[in-house]
Amino acid sequence: DSGVTQTPKHLITATGQRVTLRCSPRSGDLSVYWYQQSLDQGLQFLIHYYNGEERAKGNILERFSAQQFPDLHSELNLSSLELGDSALYFCASSALGQGASDTQYFGPGTRLTVL
Amino acid sequence: GENVEQHPSTLSVQEGDSAVIKCTYSDSASNYFPWYKQELGKGPQLIIDIRSNVGEKKDQRIAVTLNKTAKHFSLHITETQPEDSAVYFCAASIGSGYSTLTFGKGTMLLVSP
Repeated sequence: DSGVTQTPKHLITATGQRVTLRCSPRSGDLSVYWYQQSLDQGLQFLIHYYNGEERAKGNILERFSAQQFPDLHSELNLSSLELGDSALYFCASSALGQGASDTQYFGPGTRLTVL
Repeated sequence: GENVEQHPSTLSVQEGDSAVIKCTYSDSASNYFPWYKQELGKGPQLIIDIRSNVGEKKDQRIAVTLNKTAKHFSLHITETQPEDSAVYFCAASIGSGYSTLTFGKGTMLLVSP
């Protein structure tokens, strides 16, 4: 158990809908990272928040957005969902976030299925 | 941006054999190289990492080597056990500022008893 929690574990929804994925980092960690894992694209970095502020953006679609709240939990919002958005979404946390060489601890993931 | 290639995509070995997974990276500024193990239904777990000021690092049955000139790094697992069966990912990053990890596509390792 990494100490990172993600809810829900599974999510099934329809095209065009909007969903919110939630992540709670390890106790004391200030950084949260979101990744998308699909069979054809592998693990893709989406976005990094450090102590409430956005620090880096990867291949995140405009339909996706995220935020980190004062209690340091984070939410990833996915809207206007398409079939191709079906994937595993992982959250990771690290103590400082000062560079990616800060060890990242991954949560168990949320499996999103868009029908 | 950074590109990480990982080979092989699948690897089958007998219990007790050694397994080697290789990765190459494109950005010569990358200086941090972690390896993650992902078991079925779980998130990736860091198993070992290496920084560019070190050529090799060992942790029990696991070792990682880095060749900065050739821009490649490898994971070596000795005396493999069935519980080593999982998907292994390499990654690379420029370990300063708010840089990001770029992952390889993964290697599915199957260790047969």
